[in-house]
Amino acid sequence: GAVVSQHPSRVICKSGTSVKIECRSLDFQATTMFWYRQFPKQSLMLMATSNEGSKATYEQGVEKDKFLINHASLTLSTLTVTSAHPEDSSFYICSARVVSGREGLYNEQFFGPGTRLTVL
Amino acid sequence: GIQVEQSPPDLILQEGANSTLRCNFSDSVNNLQWFHQNPWGQLINLFYIPSGTKQNGRLSATTVATERYSLLYISSSQTTDSGVYFCAVGETSGSRLTFGEGTQLTVNP
Repeated sequence: GAVVSQHPSRVICKSGTSVKIECRSLDFQATTMFWYRQFPKQSLMLMATSNEGSKATYEQGVEKDKFLINHASLTLSTLTVTSAHPEDSSFYICSARVVSGREGLYNEQFFGPGTRLTVL
Repeated sequence: GIQVEQSPPDLILQEGANSTLRCNFSDSVNNLQWFHQNPWGQLINLFYIPSGTKQNGRLSATTVATERYSLLYISSSQTTDSGVYFCAVGETSGSRLTFGEGTQLTVNP
């Protein structure tokens, strides 16, 4: 299967600082990547869809100025949590979509290992 | 938006037992995936199965798209099967995935 990496795997920061998380597709090109957030004992919630070369699409209730997304190349998307606060502490997971066939008939997503953010 | 319901929410088994996990969804889908989330949080792709039946070793899955459900079968369970199993669906009109709440599986030796 396709491989997606994330860096860093874990970050601890002070309140008010900004944190950047990288998501890379290692063996395929991904025009579309996704960013999810997961709280303990809960499911994954989609935060935003990242499209290469264009602005990200944010889900309702997600602050675009708080969570900056840049998809500058076909293999890299970054999520920057700006002015992080303790309530931003969470597990952030990215995914990349493999599309093949006419009209995207094959449409599987592969996930990175996640980044655990702790804001003190 | 589309609703995804998984059952049961929790399942405890003895090693060697079989189990069936269910995923119901409320609308037409063009993508359905089953994942296993390991203790470190990594989501492992089990099946890409918007319709039909697939098997991979002790695991198999069936999706009946017209009746809007999917089943994941685990046979001869092992302790390493423990973890959370998620079903996620993609609506016909787009590529985003909506996740169910998951089934927490515990396999005891």
